[in-house]
Amino acid sequence: EAGVAQSPRYKIIEKRQSVAFWCNPISGHATLYWYQQILGQGPKLLIQFQNNGVVDDSQLPKDRFSAERLKGVDSTLKIQPAKLEDSAVYLCASSLDPTSGRITDTQYFGPGTRLTVL
Amino acid sequence: AQKVTQAQTEISVVEKEDVTLDCVYETRDTTYYLFWYKQPPSGELVFLIRRNSFDEQNEISGRYSWNFQKSTSSFNFTITASQVVDSAVYFCALSEAQEGGSEKLVFGKGMKLTVNP
Repeated sequence: EAGVAQSPRYKIIEKRQSVAFWCNPISGHATLYWYQQILGQGPKLLIQFQNNGVVDDSQLPKDRFSAERLKGVDSTLKIQPAKLEDSAVYLCASSLDPTSGRITDTQYFGPGTRLTVL
Repeated sequence: AQKVTQAQTEISVVEKEDVTLDCVYETRDTTYYLFWYKQPPSGELVFLIRRNSFDEQNEISGRYSWNFQKSTSSFNFTITASQVVDSAVYFCALSEAQEGGSEKLVFGKGMKLTVNP
């Protein structure tokens, strides 16, 4: 079974530029998450989708960050304009829809995108 | 508010030593889940274990074992006979159920384990 795919793996931009990250979850997983992991810290949830609807975006800096999951599968996270403090690893995770009756909705993570803002 | 504390930030051991990673959590929920994830240098978070709040049985998986004690709000992780490949950052996480059945994870700050040959 293929895991969570993310691209690009690395991105370097200058402040005030825009950047977008892509995520393809594990096949059949209805719930998708974006996390921000700053160096030396644990991941922090930015946004959670259930199919193509937003479940939780309370920690997403909406003045510069946006995310979409139009067809309930792939997702894109965008930062516009980027700030120095946005330098971090952006992790995507997915989990099964618990209403399907499957046992677990443990989150499985992709390899992440390391963003450096200069 | 939930909180996960991993008091140790970094541990270094020699191969074949046993090592225990501590995790203490705070929650007001009666139903919650605890997780351990491993993050090797490649960066991907690897799921190790999930335990619900109603199951206090300790678990062993090969060289890995977990000790869950609700009385002390701890979920400690022990690696027996450590190997160089165990070198990674380990995260403890706490999840609470939300409407619709999905979960929200709160992570600790992680503990970097270095196993030297």
